[in-house]
Amino acid sequence: DIQMTQSPSSLSASVGDRVTITCRASQSILTYLNWYQQKPGKAPKLLIYATSNLESGVPSRFSGTGSGTDFTLTISGLQPEDFATYYCQQSYSIVPITFGGGTKVEIK
Amino acid sequence: QVQLVQSGTEVKKPGASVKVSCKASGYTFTSYGVSWVRQVPGQGLEWMGWISPYNGNTNYSPKLEGRVTMTTDTSASTAYMEVRSLKSDDTAVYYCARDPRFMNGGSGSFYGFWGQGTLVTVSS
Repeated sequence: DIQMTQSPSSLSASVGDRVTITCRASQSILTYLNWYQQKPGKAPKLLIYATSNLESGVPSRFSGTGSGTDFTLTISGLQPEDFATYYCQQSYSIVPITFGGGTKVEIK
Repeated sequence: QVQLVQSGTEVKKPGASVKVSCKASGYTFTSYGVSWVRQVPGQGLEWMGWISPYNGNTNYSPKLEGRVTMTTDTSASTAYMEVRSLKSDDTAVYYCARDPRFMNGGSGSFYGFWGQGTLVTVSS
């Protein structure tokens, strides 16, 4: 299985801050990396697919970069509605598809 | 608009089976796959498997292989996921999600639409 390691596991930030979350794969996944946002009691929401493609309707303050084993999700100008848990997901190896452990973004 | 509507909360005893449904609307059901993801309360996301409503092809997580079966009813635009021999650590919220891979389960999956989730509690 490809292991996906997110860091940090949690962070505190203020509205307006620039936030970066990293995701490292245990082997190369090319650019088959997706990012999701999840709020309590809700299904995950797709933010970015294939490393850097912004899902329709997602604000442009979200961006993704990377390739191979190292990837980042950046939120440029954190908004109150961005406080949530973020997950990365690799879809290079299809059995199994694996997710990172999550990064909880909390209000400072 | 695309919607995936799942069946309701289930409470099961250890050793029993549960079957969760996921009814799709707003798109051509056979033009997309369906993946299933579960989440133990307070924990992360776990991929369970994928099915193609187009041809019935499936991929299952090795962790669940042998206990899980995914099926579809194309006439009802509904996907089903059954887990047998339930254990307490199967207690989770189970989600279905639309998958762009509609014919074979190759690389490049991502989930732009999700069901609302179905809580399955396994307890004696």
